[in-house]
Amino acid sequence: DVKVTQSSRYLVKRTGEKVFLECVQDMDHENMFWYRQDPGLGLRLIYFSYDVKMKEKGDIPEGYSVSREKKERFSLILESASTNQTSMYLCASSLMLAGGPYNEQFFGPGTRLTVL
Amino acid sequence: AQSVTQPDIHITVSEGASLELRCNYSYGATPYLFWYVQSPGQGLQLLLKYFSGDTLVQGIKGFEAEFKRSQSSFNLRKPSVHWSDAAEYFCAVGEGGSYIPTFGRGTSLIVHP
Repeated sequence: DVKVTQSSRYLVKRTGEKVFLECVQDMDHENMFWYRQDPGLGLRLIYFSYDVKMKEKGDIPEGYSVSREKKERFSLILESASTNQTSMYLCASSLMLAGGPYNEQFFGPGTRLTVL
Repeated sequence: AQSVTQPDIHITVSEGASLELRCNYSYGATPYLFWYVQSPGQGLQLLLKYFSGDTLVQGIKGFEAEFKRSQSSFNLRKPSVHWSDAAEYFCAVGEGGSYIPTFGRGTSLIVHP
């Protein structure tokens, strides 16, 4: 069974802290994604990675960075957390075959981050 | 650029009633279309997908969707809703050559007993 895991389901941090959100997939997928989900706004892409050490900015990269040192792991970093980064964060992965049946994404359970 | 519209933010149905969730897309060529479901506190799970061929697609949990090119729609249906279907539903569209789908804003399904 395919699996995407995220390091924490719930996280509470203070303003100004550096926050790491970890995501691991066991499907040997090339593509990995970080989304932010807020009520009424749907899913917004923060960053995308198509290979180790490769990354592309999504729609809302400001205030975030990412790291992909190994194929199976994709980390989202909040350099200095702020209250407006309180949100649900979803990680996803997909196969590299562009435009084909494997474009479907597999999602982790999400991390609900609260910044106080 | 492609876009996806889910015109209904909330839908309320009674258990046992039929369901149709609407999805309209904007894209020039034949898109790749997906429906995902998100149960409370969970990640998204793929319900079904369409790439080509038969325009009526069967998915998991008794859901189906129909691709109508003339209406640029990919509506999700279920003949009889169960209380466990209460969730958030997302339509997404992908295009050939891109790894990044575009998601609609979601429709929240409420099921009354």
